[in-house]
Amino acid sequence: DADVTQTPRNRITKTGKRIMLECSQTKGHDRMYWYRQDPGLGLRLIYYSFDVKDINKGEISDGYSVSRQAQAKFSLSLESAIPNQTALYFCATSDRAEAAQHFGDGTRLSIL
Amino acid sequence: DQQVKQNSPSLSVQEGRISILNCDYTNSMFDYFLWYKKYPAEGPTFLISISSIKDKNEDGRFTVFLNKSAKHLSLHIVPSQPGDSAVYFCAAKWAYKYIFGTGTRLKVLA
Repeated sequence: DADVTQTPRNRITKTGKRIMLECSQTKGHDRMYWYRQDPGLGLRLIYYSFDVKDINKGEISDGYSVSRQAQAKFSLSLESAIPNQTALYFCATSDRAEAAQHFGDGTRLSIL
Repeated sequence: DQQVKQNSPSLSVQEGRISILNCDYTNSMFDYFLWYKKYPAEGPTFLISISSIKDKNEDGRFTVFLNKSAKHLSLHIVPSQPGDSAVYFCAAKWAYKYIFGTGTRLKVLA
């Protein structure tokens, strides 16, 4: 089983709909992150959380919200989806003692 | 402002030869540099990292070199294998923040 699991893996939806992407991890890491990847660009940070009560905006948080329901779960919501939020979304975790992040396999989101 | 740049979108190398992937950065505050490998339909997988106080780190076939004066790092893969064909991202870390390059697609030809 994957250490970092993202659901759904693919989603097609319409403009204006509310969407939730979910991430769960079995690594026991405190830190969790949401990124988006667009063609020709690197991964850009949307939100990050260092523990259940510590949630912070990243560089592109507008139009997104998050919820850290437990140490192992971090969900990303698009309250009213728009077409330019079409992208590949990745969840990642890290431990405070190491530099590396560990990624889920991504959610491909298309907004029509 | 792109703080981490991978200027080569793609690279083709013959099996058994050396692959060299390059990355440039602009921020002297970065304390760790990392390389990730990504296959289609999968998330990035951590490959190797280097602290800003080191100039070389080696792990099997993979070696990362850091040149702080030039603000440049490179990943060497020797010997290259067909299974190494993937997109490689470099990333730089400062405190909580990770800045990723745009990736280099490596194709190892059999």
